[in-house]
Amino acid sequence: KQEVTQIPAALSVPEGENLVLNCSFTDSAIYNLQWFRQDPGKGLTSLLLIQSSQREQTSGRLNASLDKSSGRSTLYIAASQPGDSATYLCAVETSGSRLTFGEGTQLTVNP
Amino acid sequence: KAGVTQTPRYLIKTRGQQVTLSCSPISGHRSVSWYQQTPGQGLQFLFEYFSETQRNKGNFPGRFSGRQFSNSRSEMNVSTLELGDSALYLCASSLDGDYGYTFGSGTRLTVV
Repeated sequence: KQEVTQIPAALSVPEGENLVLNCSFTDSAIYNLQWFRQDPGKGLTSLLLIQSSQREQTSGRLNASLDKSSGRSTLYIAASQPGDSATYLCAVETSGSRLTFGEGTQLTVNP
Repeated sequence: KAGVTQTPRYLIKTRGQQVTLSCSPISGHRSVSWYQQTPGQGLQFLFEYFSETQRNKGNFPGRFSGRQFSNSRSEMNVSTLELGDSALYLCASSLDGDYGYTFGSGTRLTVV
């Protein structure tokens, strides 16, 4: 059974810092890995999708890497802003078109 | 282009009642999946439909059911509601394959 772990569970940083969120998964037989952000009481917004054959993806200040063999992914956020405050979720897609989610990292960026 | 639309946004129901939630996927997407989000269990997969067929099902009791119509719109039904069914229910659509998932804003169900 696939299990996804995210570290840290919560993170509070001053504005402008670069930060790294970590995600690990137990079964390396994944199709894709997707990072989402969730604002309180809202749905999920997709940030980055890394297909199993890829090693990283970039979008603006965000960069995500994937190492299937070690079962790890990292989300790098450059020059953090208060608007980045949200919960960040890592999800892996395994067979059966299902996503397995981590518990999330709750990020607070202080002005 | 329009995103994934879920209706209603909020629902309050009484224990023992049943409820139907609706999800309209992105145009052209034939895969629709449903997730339950609670503070204690996080996000859990309910089921996935593709071209009107349930392809995969999570570990939920039979009170949770769904269907998909020929226009790819999907409904999820929960019968005999329990207090523990209170959750945010999220729908996701996908083109299928290596394209990732787009989520709707969710339906907040409260069972009293």
